[in-house]
Amino acid sequence: NAGVTQTPKFRILKIGQSMTLQCTQDMNHNYMYWYRQDPGMGLKLIYYSVGAGITDKGEVPNGYNVSRSTTEDFPLRLELAAPSQTSVYFCASSYSQGGEKLFFGSGTQLSVL
Amino acid sequence: AQSVAQPEDQVNVAEGNPLTVKCTYSVSGNPYLFWYVQYPNRGLQFLLKYITGDNLVKGSYGFEAEFNKSQTSFHLKKPSALVSDSALYFCAVRGGGTDKLIFGTGTRLQVFP
Repeated sequence: NAGVTQTPKFRILKIGQSMTLQCTQDMNHNYMYWYRQDPGMGLKLIYYSVGAGITDKGEVPNGYNVSRSTTEDFPLRLELAAPSQTSVYFCASSYSQGGEKLFFGSGTQLSVL
Repeated sequence: AQSVAQPEDQVNVAEGNPLTVKCTYSVSGNPYLFWYVQYPNRGLQFLLKYITGDNLVKGSYGFEAEFNKSQTSFHLKKPSALVSDSALYFCAVRGGGTDKLIFGTGTRLQVFP
């Protein structure tokens, strides 16, 4: 049981480049989330999904896009990368909302130079 | 809008002494409250949660937390700290009827031998 898997673990982008951060979970969870973690800022919610075909914005969605075509996968797309997007990105999933805990991936460290 | 505050960037405690990591929150309706721990270069791991019922909840690794509705607080506690407890601790809240789990900025716990 792999849980939540994120790829890649590290990436360096040049300003203006695009990339997709991959996230997949094998727990049949309906809810999936993307967070970014910046020093002293905690985790900020970028986008989330409550099921296949349904996505919604979080706290900091600008500069990102997501899609959810299957229950398992929730990729995060960065278009026209900017230095402000240098961060550690975490994908997470949960069975439902309310009191359900989140399961986190191990993160993607992204640098935009 | 829901929010969560962790007023201390860092907490230092000697091994064997009790520890407290503070968290206050603001939500509409009844809150779902969580504590997560992050070890270096790892994703977040669930420690404990409060949904309803007994105000004192017990979690992993001997940690517990006390829900105080009048003070809107959910402080994390442990009777006797271990050096291995040194990590970054996050409080999180989800308000009733919402899908978003909002995290605090994190508190770094340093336990000295």
